[in-house]
Amino acid sequence: GENVEQHPSTLSVQEGDSAVIKCTYSDSASNYFPWYKQELGKRPQLIIDIRSNVGEKKDQRIAVTLNKTAKHFSLHITETQPEDSAVYFCAAGDTGTASKLTFGTGTRLQVTL
Amino acid sequence: NAGVTQTPKFQVLKTGQSMTLQCAQDMNHNSMYWYRQDPGMGLRLIYYSASEGTTDKGEVPNGYNVSRLNKREFSLRLESAAPSQTSVYFCASIGETVNTGELFFGEGSRLTVL
Repeated sequence: GENVEQHPSTLSVQEGDSAVIKCTYSDSASNYFPWYKQELGKRPQLIIDIRSNVGEKKDQRIAVTLNKTAKHFSLHITETQPEDSAVYFCAAGDTGTASKLTFGTGTRLQVTL
Repeated sequence: NAGVTQTPKFQVLKTGQSMTLQCAQDMNHNSMYWYRQDPGMGLRLIYYSASEGTTDKGEVPNGYNVSRLNKREFSLRLESAAPSQTSVYFCASIGETVNTGELFFGEGSRLTVL
């Protein structure tokens, strides 16, 4: 099965700085790579995703890059703000009829003033 | 449009007791999932249902059973709760259109087994 590793487990940045979270996956058949944000006590919510036919995707201050050859993908947050403080999960899998995603163990991002 | 609703939000059980977590979605999604979330472990799939009438094991199915009652509802049952099942449980559904595989999560159910 798929195995997803995520680093770092905790990340502290100052407001305005950039944050980068990295994930690697093992199954070359995976073709879908979403990122979920979970604020304290809340449910995970999708913030951005990328498919295997695309190398990079950007949405305002967040971007995701994918390197299929190396089997790794990364989340980049620029100009961080206090409301970016949360736990971020990467995942890898497919979007077939019985979609299954394997999640990373999460990165707790703290944005300090 | 409530999305994914799960009950109860909190539950305390004694070892050996049983309980059922209920989940319902009103988005007409085919696939539904149960995850558990433990500190440092991420979200781990317990069971999923690709469509009404089908269920399959995920990564950590031991100690759980599920029922896909209809297209809207997917329940998770603990027959004999153990302290190792103390966790936050999330139900989710997925729309699986051509352009998105987004998982929609419920608010979570925090279960403590003493």
